[in-house]
Amino acid sequence: QVQMVQSGSELKKPGASVKVSCKASGYMFTDYAINWVRQAPGQGLEWMGWINTDTGNPTYAQGFTGRFVFSLDTSVSTAFLQISSLEAEDTAMYYCARGVGYCTGGRCRFDPWGQGTLVTVSS
Amino acid sequence: QSVLTQPPSVSGAPGQRVTISCTGNISNIGAGYDVHWYQQLPGTAPKLLIYDNNNRPSGVPDRFSGSKSGTSASLAITGLQAEDEADYYCQSYDTSLSGRVFGGGTKLTVL
Repeated sequence: QVQMVQSGSELKKPGASVKVSCKASGYMFTDYAINWVRQAPGQGLEWMGWINTDTGNPTYAQGFTGRFVFSLDTSVSTAFLQISSLEAEDTAMYYCARGVGYCTGGRCRFDPWGQGTLVTVSS
Repeated sequence: QSVLTQPPSVSGAPGQRVTISCTGNISNIGAGYDVHWYQQLPGTAPKLLIYDNNNRPSGVPDRFSGSKSGTSASLAITGLQAEDEADYYCQSYDTSLSGRVFGGGTKLTVL
């Protein structure tokens, strides 16, 4: 079955970096986009952007440029989210989700989702 | 402030019907972009519930249905069950932001 498995929780100090992984299985990795979604504690879902797994081209949502980097290792069907210069406000659950539909255009739904990776930033 | 507006909470007794609205504008839902709905049970990752306005993925009970009209969409749940207690999010695409957008989420309480 199609599955997205993310790396484990991270505890980081302000100013550090973190790299979250998302390993896909059960389908051809390069046939579907990977989206990233943030959920701050007690808050709603916020789309961070997506990466085209065929071209490697990332697209970042407003508010997620500069410190956020999406990357891939297609040889192991894995997507990565790296966040640098971590701030307390980055404390959140981060989800990857496979993009289904015409994700290059406007018609893209997220299915399935990874289990989430909790990133905690604290001194 | 989310581009798509949902009521913060709704509630209903077991067996009843509830609806959750998702209001957008001419840059998103009103521009013809599809609306998708996700269910997030407590402590778990979101799950696709309805896609392309009114389609259910395999395994989703037919108690869940979606509709779209103009600049709004709705999720309806009939025959409420205790296990339906969760947060529900709508999602679409916004041309002015050139990206996907979520509603703020609605917490469903089964009384």
